Amino acid sequence: EVQLVESGGGLVQPGGSLRLSCSASGFSFSSYGMHWVRQAPGKGLEHISLMSSNGGSTYYADSVKGRFTISRDNSKNTLYLQMSSLRPEDTAVYYCVKDRTYLYDTFDYWGQGTLVTVSS
Amino acid sequence: DIQMTQSPSSLSASVGDRVTITCRASQTIATYLNWYQQKPGKAPKLLIYAASSLQSGVPSRFSGSGSGADFTLTINSLQSEDFATYYCQQGYGKPLTFGQGTKVEIK
Repeated sequence: EVQLVESGGGLVQPGGSLRLSCSASGFSFSSYGMHWVRQAPGKGLEHISLMSSNGGSTYYADSVKGRFTISRDNSKNTLYLQMSSLRPEDTAVYYCVKDRTYLYDTFDYWGQGTLVTVSS
Repeated sequence: DIQMTQSPSSLSASVGDRVTITCRASQTIATYLNWYQQKPGKAPKLLIYAASSLQSGVPSRFSGSGSGADFTLTINSLQSEDFATYYCQQGYGKPLTFGQGTKVEIK
């Protein structure tokens, strides 16, 4: 059974930093692209970052480019999102998501999400 | 960016009804279109990928159709567990974008 478990969310002040982790199990982690998708309270879904299976390719949405860094440790089956220069508009539930294939275009398994609140 | 527009934004339906949700892309996206279901407080769940392929484990009352820029999600014989918000998502180009969601409520 595929499982994705996020951790690291919490309350942080504007301008602060936070690192999210996503522990994966139940599939060959090193074979799949992985994504972060976020959802602001009461709002829709926003894809913010992806990393290819071997870590060689990344993508960032304009809204987080230059502030967030995605990374992965395939030996630990773990995906990370380092977030810095956080803004109130970054407040959201952050989901770790597995890609369905090598095309990096379909989200087939989602974690339960971790809430990040940016507020003073 | 490719904009995804869903209609309606919300609808009320009864158990047993047939429900149709549409999604329009701002440009052609072939069949790079996926549908997700999200229940309150839960993560989204993939229902349909590549416009019309049913994800493993998803009931056959869910179906998808369309290509180019216009797509449809149909739920035949709506069940109580289907009351949720539905999102379309295009996988044709970056940024990967979602529709604004369609909330299916109990009439």
